[in-house]
Amino acid sequence: SQTIHQWPATLVQPVGSPLSLECTVEGTSNPNLYWYRQAAGRGLQLLFYSVGIGQISSEVPQNLSASRPQDRQFILSSKKLLLSDSGFYLCAWSVGGRGELFFGEGSRLTVL
Amino acid sequence: GENVEQHPSTLSVQEGDSAVIKCTYSDSASNYFPWYKQELGKRPQLIIDIRSNVGEKKDQRIAVTLNKTAKHFSLHITETQPEDSAVYFCAASLAGTALIFGKGTTLSVSS
Repeated sequence: SQTIHQWPATLVQPVGSPLSLECTVEGTSNPNLYWYRQAAGRGLQLLFYSVGIGQISSEVPQNLSASRPQDRQFILSSKKLLLSDSGFYLCAWSVGGRGELFFGEGSRLTVL
Repeated sequence: GENVEQHPSTLSVQEGDSAVIKCTYSDSASNYFPWYKQELGKRPQLIIDIRSNVGEKKDQRIAVTLNKTAKHFSLHITETQPEDSAVYFCAASLAGTALIFGKGTTLSVSS
């Protein structure tokens, strides 16, 4: 069966520090991968999605970036965090065009 | 791109009552419309979905209706129970593209 792992689960970072969140999927090949952010009152905001290695689409211009170094690995990064980057970050995967998303357990980021 | 509007943002009902959450979407090419439930501190999980070739789908106490002409779809929960209390998200996408979510509805069911 397919599983998705996301870490770290929680982190508290100072403004201006770097960020790296990692997500891996097991049990499937060539998944579509996504990063969403959930901030209070703003629902699930799509940040990045990828249909293959090295293929990243950005939906929101900001100080975050994403990379897909391997087929089932997706990384969210920032060189310098802002207060507004605080939120609950969710990695997700889907099988090609089928649509259904499977979410990881999420990473709660607090920027102080 | 796609834009999804969801209302109400909060909904309070008594146990046993019905709850209805409505969403509208902007891209007439969208053909996949799921609903996710998110309990406090947990990941969203799919509860029901509908594709554009179907007008209604039911699963026990949950049903979703789709009106493609008007570009809106709704979630109906009957005989609500306290464990239905959660945040519900609607979403829309064209097959193969990313899901775009509404802002969520916080449903509270009081006993």
